[in-house]
Amino acid sequence: ETGVTQTPRHLVMGMTNKKSLKCEQHLGHNAMYWYKQSAKKPLELMFVYSLEERVENNSVPSRFSPECPNSSHLFLHLHTLQPEDSALYLCASSPTQGYEQFFGPGTRLTVL
Amino acid sequence: SQELEQSPQSLIVQEGKNLTINCTSSKTLYGLYWYKQKYGEGLIFLMMLQKGGEEKSHEKITAKLDEKKQQSSLHITASQPSHAGIYLCGADISSGNTPLVFGKGTRLSVIA
Repeated sequence: ETGVTQTPRHLVMGMTNKKSLKCEQHLGHNAMYWYKQSAKKPLELMFVYSLEERVENNSVPSRFSPECPNSSHLFLHLHTLQPEDSALYLCASSPTQGYEQFFGPGTRLTVL
Repeated sequence: SQELEQSPQSLIVQEGKNLTINCTSSKTLYGLYWYKQKYGEGLIFLMMLQKGGEEKSHEKITAKLDEKKQQSSLHITASQPSHAGIYLCGADISSGNTPLVFGKGTRLSVIA
């Protein structure tokens, strides 16, 4: 399998649940990103990892917790989310920062 | 304020018509990327522009970056239903290795 994959594609969770989103890239890239896309808003950059180190955290609430165990995998751990966290969560990777980003298909998250 | 402004926000065109989408910044764009997104899915890379005055074409889509490197346009000739989707511009607004910033997107509908 090539490119950037994300699982699950759809997720419905209650506010007290704990879940994780997974992103995997088979492109040999060194940078990985989490974005949040809400209706009528620009893509919001959440986290950036470069060579498995977090290099950017854009004031994201602590109920979102990223993890990058290796350069091919990126997780977003979710706990005690709010309904306003419902959105499309996109993962991307690039050879290094500042280059063309390749996006996964996204996870559509609904928080009840 | 929004670092990248896209216009129009939405566009409805008749099949076969030409259209243009604009992406403007008050800052120099060190790299400008155009993506297309089907609703609820990931972003598909279309083209990248880096040099002032640069123009690239792929099939019926042409992207240009102005000489000042602050504005880009995406032009579609003889639109088809397959062109429908959300078009986003992303840009590197720093000369260093920083993540891209994105516009809010332009939603294109093509009607028969």
